[in-house]
Amino acid sequence: GEDVEQSLFLSVREGDSSVINCTYTDSSSTYLYWYKQEPGAGLQLLTYIFSNMDMKQDQRLTVLLNKKDKHLSLRIADTQTGDSAIYFCAERRTGGFKTIFGAGTRLFVKA
Amino acid sequence: GAVVSQHPSWVICKSGTSVKIECRSLDFQATTMFWYRQFPKQSLMLMATSNEGSKATYEQGVEKDKFLINHASLTLSTLTVTSAHPEDSSFYICSAEQQSSGANVLTFGAGSRLTVL
Repeated sequence: GEDVEQSLFLSVREGDSSVINCTYTDSSSTYLYWYKQEPGAGLQLLTYIFSNMDMKQDQRLTVLLNKKDKHLSLRIADTQTGDSAIYFCAERRTGGFKTIFGAGTRLFVKA
Repeated sequence: GAVVSQHPSWVICKSGTSVKIECRSLDFQATTMFWYRQFPKQSLMLMATSNEGSKATYEQGVEKDKFLINHASLTLSTLTVTSAHPEDSSFYICSAEQQSSGANVLTFGAGSRLTVL
């Protein structure tokens, strides 16, 4: 299919780790991204991973890529209330050079 | 870092009027910009790819005569919603693509919320 798929909601306690999962469709996609959107705002790039990598770590963020299964995940360590937002997974397709987004995962962090 | 400015951030208009939304790359040149539409609690739907100096490329199902895109310079793309109707009410977000450490990344504007009465 055409869709990038993500679960819609995730709720965690402050201090715990959050793992947000995503499946994408185009095996030739060169880059995969995670964006964060806070209420009423545009999207902010969190991190990205090149398709020939399987892991990327950036401070509290860890991205894992399973290219065989076309599965991407974002782990946020020591989740804080300020991490509450919508997280979008996206793939950059080589056909048309378009970036296609998932529906977003709404992360709730309970104090 | 790269900044994309989008204006206005919100607009209310009467049905039948046209509304123009501007998207500017402030500190870099953007030959390609993208316009997305976001419905409440839903993902971003790519509407069109705006190419500097040429016609925009519209996604399937997006009316090009309804959503006019002009990319007259390397730092400015505009989206005009013509003869707006209540069903056009939405959150419109633009983005510009640039290279960052070898990767193509999108920088987004803050979005424009359009309400058509």
